Amino acid sequence: NAGVTQTPKFQVLKTGQSMTLQCAQDMNHEYMSWYRQDPGMGLRLIHYSVGAGITDQGEVPNGYNVSRSTTEDFPLRLLSAAPSQTSVYFCASSKDSTEAFFGQGTRLTVV
Amino acid sequence: AQKITQTQPGMFVQEKEAVTLDCTYDTSDQSYGLFWYKQPSSGEMIFLIYQGSYDEQNATEGRYSLNFQKARKSANLVISASQLGDSAMYFCAMRGFGATGRRALTFGSGTRLQVQP
Repeated sequence: NAGVTQTPKFQVLKTGQSMTLQCAQDMNHEYMSWYRQDPGMGLRLIHYSVGAGITDQGEVPNGYNVSRSTTEDFPLRLLSAAPSQTSVYFCASSKDSTEAFFGQGTRLTVV
Repeated sequence: AQKITQTQPGMFVQEKEAVTLDCTYDTSDQSYGLFWYKQPSSGEMIFLIYQGSYDEQNATEGRYSLNFQKARKSANLVISASQLGDSAMYFCAMRGFGATGRRALTFGSGTRLQVQP
């Protein structure tokens, strides 16, 4: 049971490039979400999904797109990377119960 | 809207002593859940404990307990018998289950705990 898998673990992008952060879970969880963590801060919600085909914006959605075509996968797309998007990104999944499972995180640097 | 406030940016505790990390919250949902996560220097998010808003008893998980005071909207984490391995960032979070609650977590800014030998 792999839990929540995020790839890549590290990434360096140039300003203006686009990329997709991958997130997959094998627990058949309905709810998935993306967060970003900036130095010295808590996690802030970017986008979330309550099931396949259903997504919604969180607190800081600008510059990011998501889609949820399957229960297992919830990729996060950076449309045109900016230095302000340098951060650590976490994906999480839950079955709307008492715990959210997190991936190991992706450390993204935009230069 | 939901909000989590952690007013202690950093805390020190002596090994083997107990420590309380403060958390207050605000929500308009009647039903909600409160969580604590530990983030060691390696960066992963480790689930520690959960308290439901309708749970009558405070949650406990080993050396962790959650001091839930609903009227005061507080959900403090108590770590008993601190160990050196408890040195980490600790985040309080909540999820609302009402009409305004997202099925995602709202986090506080965290408390960095350092356990001294």
